[in-house]
Amino acid sequence: GAVVSQHPSWVICKSGTSVKIECRSLDFQATTMFWYRQFPKQSLMLMATSNEGSKATYEQGVEKDKFLINHASLTLSTLTVTSAHPEDSSFYICSARDRGRSSNSPLHFGNGTRLTVT
Amino acid sequence: GENVEQHPSTLSVQEGDSAVIKCTYSDSASNYFPWYKQELGKRPQLIIDIRSNVGEKKDQRIAVTLNKTAKHFSLHITETQPEDSAVYFCAAHLGMNTGFQKLVFGTGTRLLVSP
Repeated sequence: GAVVSQHPSWVICKSGTSVKIECRSLDFQATTMFWYRQFPKQSLMLMATSNEGSKATYEQGVEKDKFLINHASLTLSTLTVTSAHPEDSSFYICSARDRGRSSNSPLHFGNGTRLTVT
Repeated sequence: GENVEQHPSTLSVQEGDSAVIKCTYSDSASNYFPWYKQELGKRPQLIIDIRSNVGEKKDQRIAVTLNKTAKHFSLHITETQPEDSAVYFCAAHLGMNTGFQKLVFGTGTRLLVSP
């Protein structure tokens, strides 16, 4: 149980284009989903918290107009990297918490999306 | 600030030795502390977690200790094996008093277990 499906697993795009990444909770509902970014040999850095039916909460230094987040249902959150540049190349990972569990329960992670911008 | 510090950044041990990784956190209200193992190119895998109402938890060769007063927690791996080689991340659930709760990761420890 508690599976998070993230697609695509990898994507290559040209500079200036936009890329959408989907994160789905398959067997539970998630009021909140989290989007992380991980550069090579670095830690997972929280980009934003996605809230179902409301605006996402972005971490300091993350451009909300560049990284568009939509959480339209209790099982789906999307991250769109707009006008991608080579420096946006990274490993993007989503995670979700079962809405039926307490705040101090484990997050469930997707398999990640490796984005390469050429 | 909201941060989690982790040490050491790299750790090399011989097979069979023990490995200890330490983390400190800033939010005294934090109540959840998971540890993750991440292999190259893959998502982090939860290996053990501890909540603030206990001081120690053990699962076979892995144990975690928590000192709430000092705001630090540690991962202990005994009888290490080559397959334990990976990057390990601690994390802490922060923002308990702000309404914006989030899981913040430490900087990571690259563990290398030599046969």
